[in-house]
Amino acid sequence: KAGVTQTPRYLIKTRGQQVTLSCSPISGHRSVSWYQQTPGQGLQFLFEYFSETQRNKGNFPGRFSGRQFSNSRSEMNVSTLELGDSALYLCASSDRTGANTGELFFGEGSRLTVL
Amino acid sequence: AQSVAQPEDQVNVAEGNPLTVKCTYSVSGNPYLFWYVQYPNRGLQFLLKYITGDNLVKGSYGFEAEFNKSQTSFHLKKPSALVSDSALYFCAVRDIRGNNRLAFGKGNQVVVIP
Repeated sequence: KAGVTQTPRYLIKTRGQQVTLSCSPISGHRSVSWYQQTPGQGLQFLFEYFSETQRNKGNFPGRFSGRQFSNSRSEMNVSTLELGDSALYLCASSDRTGANTGELFFGEGSRLTVL
Repeated sequence: AQSVAQPEDQVNVAEGNPLTVKCTYSVSGNPYLFWYVQYPNRGLQFLLKYITGDNLVKGSYGFEAEFNKSQTSFHLKKPSALVSDSALYFCAVRDIRGNNRLAFGKGNQVVVIP
């Protein structure tokens, strides 16, 4: 079974630009979560999507948004990039059943550098 | 709010010696606790979880964790460390606001010395 796939793996943007990151979950997984990882703040929850609906949102500004498609693939978008948005963005999928709650399968991440 | 604390930044251990990575938690209600590991330039991998049941939880790669309610701890352990266990280890707790919304600790760098 293929794992969680994130694209692109690396990207460089300049302040003020926007970026779109993509995530393909494990086949059969309908929940996709996004996390931001930085040296200073660690791992922080961005949002979770399930069946094309946002189920949860973390404490990030409105510049951070996401969506999920009918095939469970997800994208996240960051507009008006700031230097502080430089981070590793991790996508995780799960089947979201009670027994497997919290058991997430992570992709390798998209490393964003904002100059 | 649900939270976990990992008091040490780095844990150094000789190969073959027991490995312990510490985690304490603060939750309202019953805790759902997890350990994840991250190798360089990779995503996180699930190791084990505690939801209910036996206080000693066994996970992947020979790791286990002991849930201690009185000490509000969930320490990760491995009887005999391998060089390949060198990685970043994260303790996490499920946030009450969502099943897959996890609050992670800051992480512990484990260095296994040959």
